[in-house]
Order: sequence, then structure tokens, then C-alpha cells
Amino acid sequence: GAVVSQHPSRVICKSGTSVKIECRSLDFQATTMFWYRQFPKQSLMLMATSNEGSKATYEQGVEKDKFLINHASLTLSTLTVTSAHPEDSSFYICSASGPQGMDNQPQHFGDGTRLSIL
Amino acid sequence: KQEVTQIPAALSVPEGENLVLNCSFTDSAIYNLQWFRQDPGKGLTSLLLIQSSQREQTSGRLNASLDKSSGRSTLYIAASQPGDSATYLCAVSTGTASKLTFGTGTRLQVTL
Repeated sequence: GAVVSQHPSRVICKSGTSVKIECRSLDFQATTMFWYRQFPKQSLMLMATSNEGSKATYEQGVEKDKFLINHASLTLSTLTVTSAHPEDSSFYICSASGPQGMDNQPQHFGDGTRLSIL
Repeated sequence: KQEVTQIPAALSVPEGENLVLNCSFTDSAIYNLQWFRQDPGKGLTSLLLIQSSQREQTSGRLNASLDKSSGRSTLYIAASQPGDSATYLCAVSTGTASKLTFGTGTRLQVTL
């Protein structure tokens, strides 16, 4: 149980393109989803936390207009990198927690998306 | 601000050895601590989760301990195998909304 699917696994696109990444909880209701960014040989850095039906909470230094997050249902959250540039190239990973909606629920991670902007 | 550090950053051992990975955190007010495995270019696989009230958790050849007061955790891997080669990350949960702060990771290579 507790499977999180992330799609696509890899994206290569031109500078200026907007890219959407999906994160789905397949067998549980995810009241909270998290988006992380990971640079090569570095650890995961939390970008934002999203709760179903409400606006995402962004970490300090993360541009909310650059990284649009939508959590429209209990099983789907999307991250859209708008007008992507080469410096946005990175490995993006989502996670989901739930279903009780209580604090201190374990997070279940997707397989990540490798984004490469040319 | 919570900071999580892992030592060593990289480790290479021959197959069959027992090994210990270390994790330290600056704020002892945590809800839980998790150890994850990450293979190159992949997501995270949860290995063990220790609640703040617990001292250790075991799963197969893995044993994780937690000393919350001193801000330390160790992951013990017994009889290491080449398939254990990966990056191991520890993460602590603090505050509300189950937010995780990740350590810097230990890259493990188990050689034949």
C-alpha cells in the first residue's frame, strides 16, 4: 500500500517552455503533498507544502509564481515550472501523506522527475 | 532552524562487513526520524521510521537507533551486500504538517 506515482519521469525541453509534473497517490487519500528539489549529489530541499483545496505554502526563497502548485483533489497534485530556464534543471520529487489528515503522518515518495532545460 | 548532518559522506566497504551510518540533528523536538534509501536517479524508499518515543526499530538486516536528547541516530547494516549500494538519507519530522528536514546523505558502496 501507500503508492505514489509521479509523471513524467524525465522531461527535456527548450528554454521558455512551461512544464507540468503530476503526483498521484494511487491507493490512499493524500491530504498533504510535498514538493522537493534535489541538485546533483545534494540532499532534498523542500519547496512547498500543499493541502487539498487550499493554496500551497512555499518555503523561503522559492518563487511561487515560478513554481505553480495545484492540489485539486485528494489524490492529485501538480507542479508547473513556468517559463523554464536552464537553471531550473533539477530532479523534482513529490511525496504524499495521509489519509487521516493528522500531523506526523509518514510521507510516501514518488520516483522523481528529471527536468532538463536546454 | 533544524539542521541534519550525516557522517560519513561516503563509505566503501567489502561485502559481508557490518557498518554504521550516523545522523545528527540540532533540534531535539522531533516527532519522528526516518531512514531512506535512494538509488541513482530514483526516488526514495523508506527503510525505517522511529517515533520520538521509541529507541530503535529493526527490519531484516537493518537496525536504527534514536537518542533524541543527544540529537543522534544510527543506522546499522549487518552483513552488507553489493545490493546495499545506494545513498542513505535520514530525515527528521518537526513542527506540524509532517515537514521533513533531510540530511546530507551517505553514499555507500559495497564491493565484491
